[in-house]
Amino acid sequence: DAKTTQPTSMDCAEGRAANLPCNHSTISGNEYVYWYRQIHSQGPQYIIHGLKNNETNEMASLIITEDRKSSTLILPHATLRDTAVYYCIVRGGSYNNNDMRFGAGTRLTVKP
Amino acid sequence: EAQVTQNPRYLITVTGKKLTVTCSQNMNHEYMSWYRQDPGLGLRQIYYSMNVEVTDKGDVPEGYKVSRKEKRNFPLILESPSPNQTSLYFCASRWNTEAFFGQGTRLTVV
Repeated sequence: DAKTTQPTSMDCAEGRAANLPCNHSTISGNEYVYWYRQIHSQGPQYIIHGLKNNETNEMASLIITEDRKSSTLILPHATLRDTAVYYCIVRGGSYNNNDMRFGAGTRLTVKP
Repeated sequence: EAQVTQNPRYLITVTGKKLTVTCSQNMNHEYMSWYRQDPGLGLRQIYYSMNVEVTDKGDVPEGYKVSRKEKRNFPLILESPSPNQTSLYFCASRWNTEAFFGQGTRLTVV
């Protein structure tokens, strides 16, 4: 699986958009970008994933650059409950690909 | 409700006393895995299983065993726990895309 690079920490004001970047310059053509988050010491929670098109769901938007070497997770209106560690992971799309390797992630703190 | 259930949530045990942490999922997922999480080291994979009776080592398998006799269950076994296995453990399952994680088991070995 390709390696990812994320900032160690970020702050965001409540109600503003949180933009979390991720670099994955060695991503290969069949690898997807996944985002998970972990609130305190709970189990990681899936947020969104994409291959090359931008994706949006009820939690977030995922913007992937045209060359696919980086992506940005956008939480459009961050709340205090979005304070968590956010993990960007790259994984092959086939079922029998082994599981995700979690890096250190980005610790997002949403401030009032 | 789709979920991954781990038990126990908290456990304090003594060195050398065999223990099992259970993991069960109700989504008929074929893939399951175990992670441990330690401060400064993040989430590291211990073992994974692609299907019933198919298991393989992850990045940190030493001191652990697993079994996959049926699709829904994937227990983690510590035959002779040591203090360096004090950690927060997570079980996960998935089909092809998103993974579902249990709420974690905080294990302390004294």
